[in-house]
Amino acid sequence: GQQLNQSPQSMFIQEGEDVSMNCTSSSIFNTWLWYKQEPGEGPVLLIALYKAGELTSNGRLTAQFGITRKDSFLNISASIPSDVGIYFCAGPKYGNKLVFGAGTILRVKS
Amino acid sequence: NAGVTQTPKFRVLKTGQSMTLLCAQDMNHEYMYWYRQDPGMGLRLIHYSVGEGTTAKGEVPDGYNVSRLKKQNFLLGLESAAPSQTSVYFCASSYGGNSPLHFGNGTRLTVT
Repeated sequence: GQQLNQSPQSMFIQEGEDVSMNCTSSSIFNTWLWYKQEPGEGPVLLIALYKAGELTSNGRLTAQFGITRKDSFLNISASIPSDVGIYFCAGPKYGNKLVFGAGTILRVKS
Repeated sequence: NAGVTQTPKFRVLKTGQSMTLLCAQDMNHEYMYWYRQDPGMGLRLIHYSVGEGTTAKGEVPDGYNVSRLKKQNFLLGLESAAPSQTSVYFCASSYGGNSPLHFGNGTRLTVT
């Protein structure tokens, strides 16, 4: 079953607004990954987090590894139309097998 | 620099037919994976391989078989397709450990 819970499931954002989404689990993860998937393509890695409390940025994107190691957050500042897509959190379980959340669908109103 | 290439991009099968999805990577990655993506379910791991000649079951392996005869290729087979296997299939590869996965662009399979 789904081990990672993402919220919200989807959102509409006015261009220029900031976006926040999160991912939670009942299990501890040692790595948190955030991927973005655009229509017709495979997911692409945005940010990788390897340490509890870590805050990492990639341009307008900022992600944090929760202190409890059971959650992670992704923020997008000043959203633009090309931010549309599905954002997935993921983490390794049972070795190198990645489990994914169900995704947050981001739609931007231009 | 092709990365991960999946063929075919689209396929329609009738129930009971068989087919093979091909994944090729040119990054000399040791690990390769097959995922399926269904609406509201994220990506679920079908099978994976940690090296040439090895395969292992993932989260949803039933109805699928895989082979890794060459390091650069990972094949996913459906022996007798069922409508429940209608999905988008993604192949990925990585160096292993905590290294990131590189995904192909997917194969959209419809089973009628």
